[in-house]
Amino acid sequence: QKEVEQDPGPLSVPEGAIVSLNCTYSNSAFQYFMWYRQYSRKGPELLMYTYSSGNKEDGRFTAQVDKSSKYISLFIRDSQPSDSATYLCATTSGNTGKLIFGQGTTLQVKP
Amino acid sequence: DTGVSQNPRHKITKRGQNVTFRCDPISEHNRLYWYRQTLGQGPEFLTYFQNEAQLEKSRLLSDRFSAERPKGSFSTLEIQRTEQGDSAMYLCASSLGGVSEVYGYTFGSGTRLTVV
Repeated sequence: QKEVEQDPGPLSVPEGAIVSLNCTYSNSAFQYFMWYRQYSRKGPELLMYTYSSGNKEDGRFTAQVDKSSKYISLFIRDSQPSDSATYLCATTSGNTGKLIFGQGTTLQVKP
Repeated sequence: DTGVSQNPRHKITKRGQNVTFRCDPISEHNRLYWYRQTLGQGPEFLTYFQNEAQLEKSRLLSDRFSAERPKGSFSTLEIQRTEQGDSAMYLCASSLGGVSEVYGYTFGSGTRLTVV
């Protein structure tokens, strides 16, 4: 079993839709939770990070962490065609900075 | 350009040949990471350096793989006797380390290796 599980999709939504992306993880030692966005043939870029449980909002993006259920979510409001990319959840215990990634979910937002 | 730079962007090699990739991190970053990403998968950790010291290696890093970071600046990743299973995107990332690491973690655009 992988330490971080993520549905690979693909997920296709119309422009303006609310998108929900999710991951589960197995190791309770993980303390930091991140969402990265990766465009084709590019490296991942950090979208959001959260420490421990709770919500964090940044513009159209909201990240949620529920440590009791080991569940990570990213919500995208008013989705745009430019949001079309692969979204990777990641986590770390924070000791070494080594990141454990999910498989990535491919999102397509259609105009 | 103040980002993480990786060269070459794409490398095609014949099975059995040796290849070397280079990563130039953000200049003030003391930690440097190598990851491997295969098609349809998330990046997988290979190894990392704190300055010039290699502090951790994944079991994915077989004896054919070696990484160096002389003088704590740029890093090289060498794969000897390449196999078709080595075909992947090799990503480099750098960070300041410490608590800031998780949000100061910057990836390069990667080197795509194709072994034919």
